[in-house]
Amino acid sequence: AQSVTQLDSQVPVFEEAPVELRCNYSSSVSVYLFWYVQYPNQGLQLLLKYLSGSTLVKSINGFEAEFNKSQTSFHLRKPSVHISDTAEYFCAVSLGDMRFGAGTRLTVKP
Amino acid sequence: DAGITQSPRHKVTETGTPVTLRCHQTENHRYMYWYRQDPGHGLRLIHYSYGVKDTDKGEVSDGYSVSRSKTEDFLLTLESATSSQTSVYFCAITSGTYEQYFGPGTRLTVT
Repeated sequence: AQSVTQLDSQVPVFEEAPVELRCNYSSSVSVYLFWYVQYPNQGLQLLLKYLSGSTLVKSINGFEAEFNKSQTSFHLRKPSVHISDTAEYFCAVSLGDMRFGAGTRLTVKP
Repeated sequence: DAGITQSPRHKVTETGTPVTLRCHQTENHRYMYWYRQDPGHGLRLIHYSYGVKDTDKGEVSDGYSVSRSKTEDFLLTLESATSSQTSVYFCAITSGTYEQYFGPGTRLTVT
């Protein structure tokens, strides 16, 4: 069965700085990969996904993630964060059923 | 917005009482899911449904049951609530290519 490890439970960063949220997964077969974002007191929203094709996927608000099969990673990056990016971010893998990481709380400070 | 609503949004109940949470969707999706979210655990699957009257257990199903008598409604029941079931519960559907879309959540406190 697949599993997901998010390597940082909390990431504090200053506004306009770059950020990377790390995600590693384990699976013996190819999987589909996702990043979700959760703002306070809300449900999870799909941020971006990798199903096949280009290993670099991008969201509409400047985040991107790169699928690295050899390192079984799917790290999320943004070159310049905003206060409004403060949220919890979840990495997930799916091969039928979906498994979530424990989450990374990104706090952007002014 | 995947047209998912959950009710109630908040509930406080006492240990040993039955509780039913409702998930309602408006877009005729076949697959529906119930998760619980706890600090340090992310989301864990409780039960899921792949059609009317077709359900199966997830990772943390003990103490929970589900029913789906109509495509649009998926009910989660705690037969006898315990303090360990204090959590935030999310309903989700699968749309198209494997991604899931989530409802707003129900915060349940068992005292």
